Amino acid sequence: GNSVTQMEGPVTLSEEAFLTINCTYTATGYPSLFWYVQYPGEGLQLLLKATKADDKGSNKGFEATYRKETTSFHLEKGSVQVSDSAVYFCALSVNTGFQKLVFGTGTRLLVSP
Amino acid sequence: DTGVSQNPRHKITKRGQNVTFRCDPISEHNRLYWYRQTLGQGPEFLTYFQNEAQLEKSRLLSDRFSAERPKGSFSTLEIQRTEQGDSAMYLCASSLFRTPSGANVLTFGAGSRLTVL
Repeated sequence: GNSVTQMEGPVTLSEEAFLTINCTYTATGYPSLFWYVQYPGEGLQLLLKATKADDKGSNKGFEATYRKETTSFHLEKGSVQVSDSAVYFCALSVNTGFQKLVFGTGTRLLVSP
Repeated sequence: DTGVSQNPRHKITKRGQNVTFRCDPISEHNRLYWYRQTLGQGPEFLTYFQNEAQLEKSRLLSDRFSAERPKGSFSTLEIQRTEQGDSAMYLCASSLFRTPSGANVLTFGAGSRLTVL
């Protein structure tokens, strides 16, 4: 079946530190990959996506590269801010025609000043 | 465009009662999805609609759950005879689906939190 595995949190960093949140996946077919972010009290927001191998998704200083050989889509940011504190979800969808999202369990990021 | 709106935001009920949640999607979106998120877990797919047609239901959606989208706009999710295990955040999302290829981006609402006592 299709599944996503994320590193457990919380990840605690100081402001301006480098961030990596690991995500690996198992999928039949050729999935699209996503990172969603959930700020306290708000809905899930799409952060970035990649639709094929070697694609790099980027947004707001965050990046992730679709690595088919390692079935990974790790999230990175060079310098985190306090405002980046949130829960980050890695997800995939397989193009079956309706594109159900399969999510990981989420990784909480806490950034201190 | 005010995004995806869900009501109520929080519902507390006693075991055995019925509850109903409403979702108003982005107006031009033809697809609407329901997900459930329990504490410490990622969202899990429940069901989705294209216009007014319910095209798929997860096995997570027991016969106590019913979802409708009668005019292809807003949707309701009803849970009958609630159980403590139904306590969760119920998320609605919508999207504009054009073709099977490419990434179909979902926009999520803030969710409706259900607490069953």
